[in-house]
Amino acid sequence: GAGVSQSPSNKVTEKGKDVELRCDPISGHTALYWYRQRLGQGLEFLIYFQGNSAPDKSGLPSDRFSAERTGESVSTLTIQRTQQEDSAVYLCASTRDRANEKLFFGSGTQLSVL
Amino acid sequence: KQEVTQIPAALSVPEGENLVLNCSFTDSAIYNLQWFRQDPGKGLTSLLLIQSSQREQTSGRLNASLDKSSGRSTLYIAASQPGDSATYLCAPQGAGGFKTIFGAGTRLFVKA
Repeated sequence: GAGVSQSPSNKVTEKGKDVELRCDPISGHTALYWYRQRLGQGLEFLIYFQGNSAPDKSGLPSDRFSAERTGESVSTLTIQRTQQEDSAVYLCASTRDRANEKLFFGSGTQLSVL
Repeated sequence: KQEVTQIPAALSVPEGENLVLNCSFTDSAIYNLQWFRQDPGKGLTSLLLIQSSQREQTSGRLNASLDKSSGRSTLYIAASQPGDSATYLCAPQGAGGFKTIFGAGTRLFVKA
């Protein structure tokens, strides 16, 4: 596609429910990142996918968070048993190769946990 | 673990001023460093990417420098305009695992 696409753009859920966030990277981009941005704060790294290599999950805050990506296509970030502290904008970015390529970001998913 | 610090956290200047935003990072083993712009309620836009072998990059009124050995980068904005008002984020990409880590940003407001 022309850009990184994320859906939904907004998600309101009740505490304890599971949510799935989707990211469609730019076609041909082998690397994909998920970040979290809480209100008024910087971007917090969550997970990084590169081609068929094992993902770098070192930023996932708890075992309630998981992410999948099939090959070089769509990625899904799942948050189980959501908590109010999970409320944030979840941003996805993709890049053409592993290193020295500009990151292209989607517009994010605003998650609100009531 | 890479830590990125940006100074100042916020900056308000009159239109036309030249200004410098600072970024420091703790792990100098990086592939590159990017500067991004974030507008309220929107995603991020990459402004400049400096590879580790480079000293600086220029795009229009923007100039970014990189001193990898000392863990510092600066973003210079010439002749600032109200349209430059945004949050500017610095992000080095680590050579160990290709992760790109972000600073908390500098919030810039340019007054007309």
